[in-house]
Amino acid sequence: RKEVEQDPGPFNVPEGATVAFNCTYSNSASQSFFWYRQDCRKEPKLLMSVYSSGNEDGRFTAQLNRASQYISLLIRDSKLSDSATYLCVVNAGNYGQNFVFGPGTRLSVLP
Amino acid sequence: NAGVTQTPKFQVLKTGQSMTLQCAQDMNHNSMYWYRQDPGMGLRLIYYSASEGTTDKGEVPNGYNVSRLNKREFSLRLESAAPSQTSVYFCASSEAMGSAANTGELFFGEGSRLTVL
Repeated sequence: RKEVEQDPGPFNVPEGATVAFNCTYSNSASQSFFWYRQDCRKEPKLLMSVYSSGNEDGRFTAQLNRASQYISLLIRDSKLSDSATYLCVVNAGNYGQNFVFGPGTRLSVLP
Repeated sequence: NAGVTQTPKFQVLKTGQSMTLQCAQDMNHNSMYWYRQDPGMGLRLIYYSASEGTTDKGEVPNGYNVSRLNKREFSLRLESAAPSQTSVYFCASSEAMGSAANTGELFFGEGSRLTVL
């Protein structure tokens, strides 16, 4: 089983739709969690960290379920500019070498 | 502020050739990393440098060497390129591992696309 798994998609949704991405991780010792965004042929950039209590940043909401080892990202009112690949990232410690990246979920928001 | 700069952006090599990917960051970060990204797979860590003067192997170090030249620069060398090393390579940096300033955010360069024929 891969350490971090994501549905590869692509998710094709119309503008204004709500879309949710899921991510599961296998290492129960994982301590911190993130969603990164990667535009086509560009570098990954941090979208948001994921906290145990859940957190929201504008149209984006991230949730963490430690018991089920599951992370989610919800995007409301999708914009064309949200089209990208979303990477789930799990860190088993405070050390950068323990970052494990999921393969990413590709989102296309259609006009 | 340039952030993380990688060179070259594109390179085509023949099997057996060598080359060095250069990376420099201007954010005064202590920790630097080299990742490779292949289709359908997550980024995989090749080598990292927790601080100036130290380097350690990551998940996929075979066929690569690194040098942490100073705090700003971290280079990746392919001594004898193989087709399996065709990939997109990303350099990244972060605040010091284990420090309170480390929010877990990695700052990436734009990537270097390498093709080995």
